Amino acid sequence: GQQVMQIPQYQHVQEGEDFTTYCNSSTTLSNIQWYKQRPGGHPVFLIQLVKSGEVKKQKRLTFQFGEAKKNSSLHITATQTTDVGTYFCAGSPATDSWGKLQFGAGTQVVVTP
Amino acid sequence: GAVVSQHPSWVICKSGTSVKIECRSLDFQATTMFWYRQFPKQSLMLMATSNEGSKATYEQGVEKDKFLINHASLTLSTLTVTSAHPEDSSFYICSVRGVRGPISGDTQYFGPGTRLTVL
Repeated sequence: GQQVMQIPQYQHVQEGEDFTTYCNSSTTLSNIQWYKQRPGGHPVFLIQLVKSGEVKKQKRLTFQFGEAKKNSSLHITATQTTDVGTYFCAGSPATDSWGKLQFGAGTQVVVTP
Repeated sequence: GAVVSQHPSWVICKSGTSVKIECRSLDFQATTMFWYRQFPKQSLMLMATSNEGSKATYEQGVEKDKFLINHASLTLSTLTVTSAHPEDSSFYICSVRGVRGPISGDTQYFGPGTRLTVL
């Protein structure tokens, strides 16, 4: 079946530094979504990418969708303590008609002041 | 975004009892609802897809007789964990998707989750 792999699993970042988390799918995706989950909370939708090669920015967050629609990345610049949490990518297989999401394992981000 | 509520937010029960968790879409019609389970420090695992008025579709490895799902209306889906055991202790999260028909590309809005502890 389809698998969504996400690396790294953990990311320790000094405040002010940049980092990137990567997501790879074994199959082509119709879209990929990114979520952020704070400790003790539930996943909160960040963004959805649909088009091949798409790049979207939200302030310090840059999201990319690969040309083959099998991989994606989230890049955060000038990390702040508010960026702490686990970032999940979630892919919707191109073959699925109901929008089921396959979640990656998540990247847990810890920010050191 | 959509507002999704879950009730209860946490529950503690004895082994062998059944627990019902409600997921409500408060401000739009949820034609499709998804139920996930999340163990500590792990990712979300899709358990089942629930479509209003029809039987839920369960993911491989999820026992349909143990996790009963009822999507009775466009705003309510329930998950009942029957004869719960300690290994069922987990964070159960629902999400909703409000577009009719097989249209991909729509976001899912997540409920706040229900933390189940089975003693």
